[in-house]
Amino acid sequence: AQTVTQSQPEMSVQEAETVTLSCTYDTSENNYYLFWYKQPPSRQMILVIRQEAYKQQNATENRFSVNFQKAAKSFSLKISDSQLGDTAMYFCAFNPPNNNDMRFGAGTRLTVKP
Amino acid sequence: DAGVTQSPTHLIKTRGQQVTLRCSPKSGHDTVSWYQQALGQGPQFIFQYYEEEERQRGNFPDRFSGHQFPNYSSELNVNALLLGDSALYLCASSSGQDTDTQYFGPGTRLTVL
Repeated sequence: AQTVTQSQPEMSVQEAETVTLSCTYDTSENNYYLFWYKQPPSRQMILVIRQEAYKQQNATENRFSVNFQKAAKSFSLKISDSQLGDTAMYFCAFNPPNNNDMRFGAGTRLTVKP
Repeated sequence: DAGVTQSPTHLIKTRGQQVTLRCSPKSGHDTVSWYQQALGQGPQFIFQYYEEEERQRGNFPDRFSGHQFPNYSSELNVNALLLGDSALYLCASSSGQDTDTQYFGPGTRLTVL
């Protein structure tokens, strides 16, 4: 069974600082996709960043970057220059190709403090 | 460019009743997936619709059913509601050319009393 684990239920960071959210997953698949989604109090699940497992290069989207370690089955999210608007629940998700039963972790609640 | 929309925003029902939730996909998307998100948990996959047929289904009972219309919009129906069905129901859409990346709507909060 494919599972996603987020071991940090809550984290906080000072505005303008850097924070890293952890995610590990379990799968026997070789090709798959990994995602980080952000869910603010408004409830809308927003795609933050996506990584294809066959790509060795870590994905980057502005202040958001990932550290993808395929052998270790680890997929952490780094947020640089944290902003108050980054306060939200962050979910790590796993999706094998052609199988749309996307699996989510339990989430990490991130608070950015002024 | 309109994103994924869902209606209603909130809904209150009593046990045993039936409910229908609606979703319109993002412009250009033809695939709709439904998720249930219980309080304090990550979303769980219910099912996915493509070309008006259920393409894949998660571990949910037959009380949960759906439909996709020719314009790609979708409905989620839940019969014989239980207290445990109280949750945020999320709809996500994707393109047939990139089904692995899903974009979510704002959700419908269902409360079963």
